[in-house]
Amino acid sequence: GAGVSQSPSNKVTEKGKDVELRCDPISGHTALYWYRQSLGQGLEFLIYFQGNSAPDKSGLPSDRFSAERTGGSVSTLTIQRTQQEDSAVYLCASSWGDDRRPIQYFGAGTRLSVL
Amino acid sequence: AQSVAQPEDQVNVAEGNPLTVKCTYSVSGNPYLFWYVQYPNRGLQFLLKYITGDNLVKGSYGFEAEFNKSQTSFHLKKPSALVSDSALYFCAVRGYTGRRALTFGSGTRLQVQP
Repeated sequence: GAGVSQSPSNKVTEKGKDVELRCDPISGHTALYWYRQSLGQGLEFLIYFQGNSAPDKSGLPSDRFSAERTGGSVSTLTIQRTQQEDSAVYLCASSWGDDRRPIQYFGAGTRLSVL
Repeated sequence: AQSVAQPEDQVNVAEGNPLTVKCTYSVSGNPYLFWYVQYPNRGLQFLLKYITGDNLVKGSYGFEAEFNKSQTSFHLKKPSALVSDSALYFCAVRGYTGRRALTFGSGTRLQVQP
């Protein structure tokens, strides 16, 4: 079946612009995660959605970052007023949201470059 | 707080030799432990997990990992390395309770020489 799909695969933007990154999880997965992979910080958690519960936003680095998940499926990560330090690969993952099936499946990522 | 340490930035091994990639963790309570592999310009690919049960866990592509509670370690192993195993390997942990998001180590680059 289809895996986690992320778009665009690459995004180049100018400092100060807003960007939207999209994630389409595996069908049936109720949990969705955003992570960021950068040279300086490694792999870090950003935000987690589980079903209809309030999202866990504890990893968002600033209030310029936000995310939503519509209809329990597709998620959009928005970065406002982008800065050069936002340049990174943004990875999305999904899982069954069930502790008996805890594996997170990752998309290929969106590489964001802020000029 | 939970954390993962991968003490080696890079591991070099000759093809056909056994390989070990080290991982130690810190978490409150019992852990869920994972190994993922990343090939260039690709996302993370799941290799294996430990939840409970046997300390030796077998995964994809001939990889295995040994959970050692007393040493809080979860080292990745393979009896005979292939050149195609060359990639970036990440160890990750989460607790049985609390946040389901994973905490990752810094990654270890495995280089298998022909």
